[in-house]
Amino acid sequence: EAGVTQSPTHLIKTRGQQATLRCSPISGHTSVYWYQQALGLGLQFLLWYDEGEERNRGNFPPRFSGRQFPNYSSELNVNALELEDSALYLCASSFGPILITNYGYTFGSGTRLTVV
Amino acid sequence: KQEVTQIPAALSVPEGENLVLNCSFTDSAIYNLQWFRQDPGKGLTSLLLIQSSQREQTSGRLNASLDKSSGRSTLYIAASQPGDSATYLCAAKNSGSRLTFGEGTQLTVNP
Repeated sequence: EAGVTQSPTHLIKTRGQQATLRCSPISGHTSVYWYQQALGLGLQFLLWYDEGEERNRGNFPPRFSGRQFPNYSSELNVNALELEDSALYLCASSFGPILITNYGYTFGSGTRLTVV
Repeated sequence: KQEVTQIPAALSVPEGENLVLNCSFTDSAIYNLQWFRQDPGKGLTSLLLIQSSQREQTSGRLNASLDKSSGRSTLYIAASQPGDSATYLCAAKNSGSRLTFGEGTQLTVNP
């Protein structure tokens, strides 16, 4: 069974540009979560999508946005990049809200975004 | 709002030692608690998942316990090996399907 896949592995952008990160969940999982892990900091919750809808959002500005496609894959878009957006962005997937109480999250390997 | 704390922040032990990592959470109304391992610059690998109705889970040399009433979980690693060196994260799941992570314990096992 394929795990959670994220692309690209690394991404270098200049300040002010836009970045698009992609995530494919495990087959059968309908929920996708995005987390930011800046250097030396903990994991900060960004967004949760389930069945194509945004279900919850962390304390991030609106320039962080995303969507979930009919096949449950997801994109994270970061507009007007700032230097402090440099971080490891992790995607996780799980079964939907009803089943999640019995199952955990599976994480991908992450996308390392560097803003110069 | 759930808050998760992990102690110690860093731990260095000689190979072969048994060790305990601690995790505490403020909101005991959790659905489950999950322990992860993270190697430098990598994603998270799930180690153990404990349901709120369970007291412990075991996988190989790893044993995780959960005490909801006191808001605590521990991860016990038996006979540690250099390959166990990594950051260990605990995460609590409450309603709303989001996980709240601790800051992690950075473990170094010296040969």
